[in-house]
Amino acid sequence: SAVISQKPSRDICQRGTSLTIQCQVDSQVTMMFWYRQQPGQSLTLIATANQGSEATYESGFVIDKFPISRPNLTFSTLTVSNMSPEDSSIYLCSVPTRQGLQDGYTFGSGTRLTVV
Amino acid sequence: GQQLNQSPQSMFIQEGEDVSMNCTSSSIFNTWLWYKQDPGEGPVLLIALYKAGELTSNGRLTAQFGITRKDSFLNISASIPSDVGIYFCAGRAGGYQKVTFGIGTKLQVIP
Repeated sequence: SAVISQKPSRDICQRGTSLTIQCQVDSQVTMMFWYRQQPGQSLTLIATANQGSEATYESGFVIDKFPISRPNLTFSTLTVSNMSPEDSSIYLCSVPTRQGLQDGYTFGSGTRLTVV
Repeated sequence: GQQLNQSPQSMFIQEGEDVSMNCTSSSIFNTWLWYKQDPGEGPVLLIALYKAGELTSNGRLTAQFGITRKDSFLNISASIPSDVGIYFCAGRAGGYQKVTFGIGTKLQVIP
């Protein structure tokens, strides 16, 4: 299965600033997904990033707040812009992968963001 | 939108006991996925199910895809301390489409 390197693993940021999270995959993948996991909550899909086209955002998420780049088939970034304490969450990237006979998704280890 | 109800939300069990958790959906899924998340890590896929009625095992873990395609359960037999974590169900309507996650079951094992 794919191996994802996600960084930073954690950060504490001042409100009003922006943070860019990076995900590097060890193989080429068509789609990359960005999720948010608020404290004690499940994973919510923010957007799907396709190489060569604009990301597709889910309801409640907008490009101005969460701009995404996908310059090639192994790399993507998510920026959390103009942060407020409500943005404190774990952010995860994910790619579709095959593990043996199972088609599923591999996740990065996440970026734990605290906004103060 | 699709909603997943996962239960229980948390459990405390004695080491050696069996555990069962389940998910129900408001709509039909073509795939059910079960993940485990350890603290500070991303979720890791445990079992994937693709057909209604399918029963699949992975070591001490067994999961089933409900006949109605709107539910799934995960059983863990003879729990051990390293089973501690949060277990998520997830459903997918088809292909590499959007995956909907349950709220998670936080499992704690008492040695």
